[in-house]
Amino acid sequence: QKEVEQDPGPLSVPEGAIVSLNCTYSNSAFQYFMWYRQYSRKGPELLMYTYSSGNKEDGRFTAQVDKSSKYISLFIRDSQPSDSATYLCAPGAGGTSYGKLTFGQGTILTVHP
Amino acid sequence: NAGVTQTPKFQVLKTGQSMTLQCAQDMNHNSMYWYRQDPGMGLRLIYYSASEGTTDKGEVPNGYNVSRLNKREFSLRLESAAPSQTSVYFCASSEAGTQYFGPGTRLLVL
Repeated sequence: QKEVEQDPGPLSVPEGAIVSLNCTYSNSAFQYFMWYRQYSRKGPELLMYTYSSGNKEDGRFTAQVDKSSKYISLFIRDSQPSDSATYLCAPGAGGTSYGKLTFGQGTILTVHP
Repeated sequence: NAGVTQTPKFQVLKTGQSMTLQCAQDMNHNSMYWYRQDPGMGLRLIYYSASEGTTDKGEVPNGYNVSRLNKREFSLRLESAAPSQTSVYFCASSEAGTQYFGPGTRLLVL
């Protein structure tokens, strides 16, 4: 079983839709949670991060973490065609492993006008 | 400030050939990483370097070697390329838990 599982999609939604992207993880040592966005033929770029359970909002994006159920979500409100990309969840552990991330498979999202 | 740079952008090799992928960062980060990305597999860690002079294996190190030349540069070497090493390779550097990625190298091994 992989440490991080992410539904690869692909996910296709109309412009303006609310998008929900989800990951589950099995490693209780994960302490912080990143979401990366990757446009086609580009390197991943950090979108959001959170260090605790609960919600964190940044504009149209909300990251949600439930450590008790080991579940990570990213919500995109009022989705735009420019949001079309692959989204990667990436939790990380502390201690001697701080800085190392474990990536999910990525979810391919297409927002059509 | 270029961030993380990688060379070459694209390379075609024949089975058995060797090559070195170059990575450099100008953000003064201590940690650097090499990943490969294959369809449906996400990013898998090949090797990482927590600081200058140290390197450690990641999830998929077989067939690769690395050199942390100095704080800026971290190279990945394929001694004898195999078709299974066809992939997109990303280098990253990190500070305070956040990783910053380069644009990637697309490698095709025939």
